[in-house]
Amino acid sequence: EDKVVQSPLSLVVHEGDTVTLNCSYEVTNFRSLLWYKQEKKAPTFLFMLTSSGIEKKSGRLSSILDKKELFSILNITATQTGDSAIYLCAVESRAGGTSYGKLTFGQGTILTVHP
Amino acid sequence: DAGVTQSPTHLIKTRGQQVTLRCSPKSGHDTVSWYQQALGQGPQFIFQYYEEEERQRGNFPDRFSGHQFPNYSSELNVNALLLGDSALYLCASSSRDRVKFYGYTFGSGTRLTVV
Repeated sequence: EDKVVQSPLSLVVHEGDTVTLNCSYEVTNFRSLLWYKQEKKAPTFLFMLTSSGIEKKSGRLSSILDKKELFSILNITATQTGDSAIYLCAVESRAGGTSYGKLTFGQGTILTVHP
Repeated sequence: DAGVTQSPTHLIKTRGQQVTLRCSPKSGHDTVSWYQQALGQGPQFIFQYYEEEERQRGNFPDRFSGHQFPNYSSELNVNALLLGDSALYLCASSSRDRVKFYGYTFGSGTRLTVV
């Protein structure tokens, strides 16, 4: 059974701090790893990673994938109160014998940024 | 650009009743997946539709069924509702064409409460 584990489950920091969120996985037929930010309802897309060792960056956020060790990290530098949200890690796997993909999510990391 | 739209946004039902949730995918997407997100948990995969057929399914009972229409929109039906079905139901759309594929786009979800 595919499994995705995120740590920590919750994190409280002050504005300006740097945070690192972790995601480890065990899936068969790996296709990609995705990070989402969920503030109220709709998870919003942050990054999609398919290749090992290549960092993706968007402003203060960055992420990297290690396919050998089966994990990914999401870094947020100079945190702001607007970064407060649930960060979800999801791994896309291909159903055996088909080319259809599905997402397996971790439990999420609740990030709270205080002014 | 219309993203993924879901209706209704909130719903309250009584145990034993049946419910239908609706989803319109993002323009250009042809595949719809449904996820159930219980409070404090990551989303769990229910099933996926492409070309009006269910292509893969997660560990959900037959009470959960779906449909996809020729315009790619989709419905999720849940029969004989249980208290444990109370959750946020998320619809995600994507492109089957891996050249055009760039992750899954989520709707804002339907909050279902079973009393």
